[in-house]
Amino acid sequence: AQTVTQSQPEMSVQEAETVTLSCTYDTSESDYYLFWYKQPPSRQMILVIRQEAYKQQNATENRFSVNFQKAAKSFSLKISDSQLGDAAMYFCAYRSWNQGGSEKLVFGKGTKLTVNP
Amino acid sequence: GAVVSQHPSRVICKSGTSVKIECRSLDFQATTMFWYRQFPKQSLMLMATSNEGSKATYEQGVEKDKFLINHASLTLSTLTVTSAHPEDSSFYICSAGRGGTYEQYFGPGTRLTVT
Repeated sequence: AQTVTQSQPEMSVQEAETVTLSCTYDTSESDYYLFWYKQPPSRQMILVIRQEAYKQQNATENRFSVNFQKAAKSFSLKISDSQLGDAAMYFCAYRSWNQGGSEKLVFGKGTKLTVNP
Repeated sequence: GAVVSQHPSRVICKSGTSVKIECRSLDFQATTMFWYRQFPKQSLMLMATSNEGSKATYEQGVEKDKFLINHASLTLSTLTVTSAHPEDSSFYICSAGRGGTYEQYFGPGTRLTVT
């Protein structure tokens, strides 16, 4: 079964600086999708960025970018020019499949990001 | 686009009663809907996957008779917690998948408290 590990329960960053959140995963599949979701205090899950495993180029979305290392099964999220609104729980997720053949997301335990003014 | 709503946002019920939570995709047709449970300061755990017009697929360890899921249309899925007990108190989140994409769009969640 696929597993997703986020080894940093909490991280903090100064406003305007850069922070990197770590994520590793375990899979035997060769083609898959990885995601970073943000959950602010409102509890609404928001997709930050996604990466297709077959793409070698790292995904970027404005201030958010990933460092996808397929061989190492690593998928870290870099947030540049951190803003107060970036404070949230960040979950790394792997798109997998259940026994019935339906897709499912497997989430890591999350990293709580604090942005200091 | 891709807005998912949940109703109610909060519900308090007495032990032994049943409560229904609705999940709606407002601006797209959701071929698949997912139900998650999130305990305080923990991650999301998938409970079940529902496809429109067919029976839900439950994850291992989730009681299908306790957590009834109905996906009657391409825009509505419901989760009914039957004979609720205090240990069922949690945050329940639904998400919807749209055909042709690999993303899930999440609802705002429902906080269930069983007294």
